[in-house]
Amino acid sequence: SQKIEQNSEALNIQEGKTATLTCNYTNYSPAYLQWYRQDPGRGPVFLLLIRENEKEKRKERLKVTFDTTLKQSLFHITASQPADSATYLCALDVDTGRRALTFGSGTRLQVQP
Amino acid sequence: DSGVTQTPKHLITATGQRVTLRCSPRSGDLSVYWYQQSLDQGLQFLIQYYNGEERAKGNILERFSAQQFPDLHSELNLSSLELGDSALYFCASSERPGHPATDTQYFGPGTRLTVL
Repeated sequence: SQKIEQNSEALNIQEGKTATLTCNYTNYSPAYLQWYRQDPGRGPVFLLLIRENEKEKRKERLKVTFDTTLKQSLFHITASQPADSATYLCALDVDTGRRALTFGSGTRLQVQP
Repeated sequence: DSGVTQTPKHLITATGQRVTLRCSPRSGDLSVYWYQQSLDQGLQFLIQYYNGEERAKGNILERFSAQQFPDLHSELNLSSLELGDSALYFCASSERPGHPATDTQYFGPGTRLTVL
């Protein structure tokens, strides 16, 4: 069956370090992948989209990679700040044009000052 | 502010009751999605509408139903409520599904449903 895996354990890092979050998927061939941020009690907010023919995408302190061979995306936050503490979700288009994005369960990031 | 509005913000009701949640998508967005998120759980996709028609169904219970109206707002109806239906219900909208340029989802603030 189709599956999206994100590390369910919280990631704790020190301020200023780089946070790296992982999204693995099986039995999909997504045309693109998205990352969202969710704060407690609030709706997810779109951060970045990367297409299958793109290896890497950057936006300010954020960087996303997409390896379609490994079926994996990595999400990096450089020079992390306590304000980056949130849950980060990856989302894939499972069946382009016909189905909604499928979201992973998310990884909680805690940046310690 | 995502541009997606949801009402009400909070809803407290009793088991067995029926409620209606309302969502207005961003201006120009044709697709509406409903998600359920229980405490400390991931987003569970319920149903998607595109331009008034049902497009995809997720793990939506038979007690739940939804529709999208000609003005593109959507309503999610939850009936015969059970304690386990207590959750945050999010609505999201996108311009058009299936293409990376238009498939980004914009989420509303959610409706917190408490069933007592």
